Amino acid sequence: DGGITQSPKYLFRKEGQNVTLSCEQNLNHDAMYWYRQDPGQGLRLIYYSQIVNDFQKGDIAEGYSVSREKKESFPLTVTSAQKNPTAFYLCASSMQGAGYGYTFGSGTRLTVV
Amino acid sequence: AQRVTQPEKLLSVFKGAPVELKCNYSYSGSPELFWYVQYSRQRLQLLLRHISRESIKGFTADLNKGETSFHLKKPFAQEEDSAMYYCAPHGKLTFGQGTILTVHP
Repeated sequence: DGGITQSPKYLFRKEGQNVTLSCEQNLNHDAMYWYRQDPGQGLRLIYYSQIVNDFQKGDIAEGYSVSREKKESFPLTVTSAQKNPTAFYLCASSMQGAGYGYTFGSGTRLTVV
Repeated sequence: AQRVTQPEKLLSVFKGAPVELKCNYSYSGSPELFWYVQYSRQRLQLLLRHISRESIKGFTADLNKGETSFHLKKPFAQEEDSAMYYCAPHGKLTFGQGTILTVHP
């Protein structure tokens, strides 16, 4: 059953700690994306990757880091430098080329305590 | 700046009434635009893509380059259409703010 999996579903972090959110897909999609969803602000792009070993900053990359060592995986690290990390994080993937939409994961809700 | 705008955060209609969710874009070139929907307790999913000119669940959306719009329309709304709707460009851009549609019985 193909799809995109995010884990964990809920995550709690103490201030000052880094935390990594997992995103795995078995759809053979080339491109992967990380979005942050906050009430009233829609989905804001954090990072994206169009090919293995390459990634680009989105609109709100500060305080985040990513890696793309495998096609299937695109983990997001929320560092202690992120000033307001409590949010809902969505991972998505897509095929390259015109006309292909995104497939989304179910999301990870991160809470800083 | 390149962006997509959904001017209505909330939209309420009664069952059977027509519904139109607005989306405007402000970038040049040939946009690849999509509508996504998120039902309660479900993940965000693709609803429509402009390139296919399809009708899904009774919804249609036409790209109007003159008005730079990609509004989502349905002639007769149903209660199960209640959800969050996002208009989005493909690729490296941030989505619009989304519109919460509520269809009352």
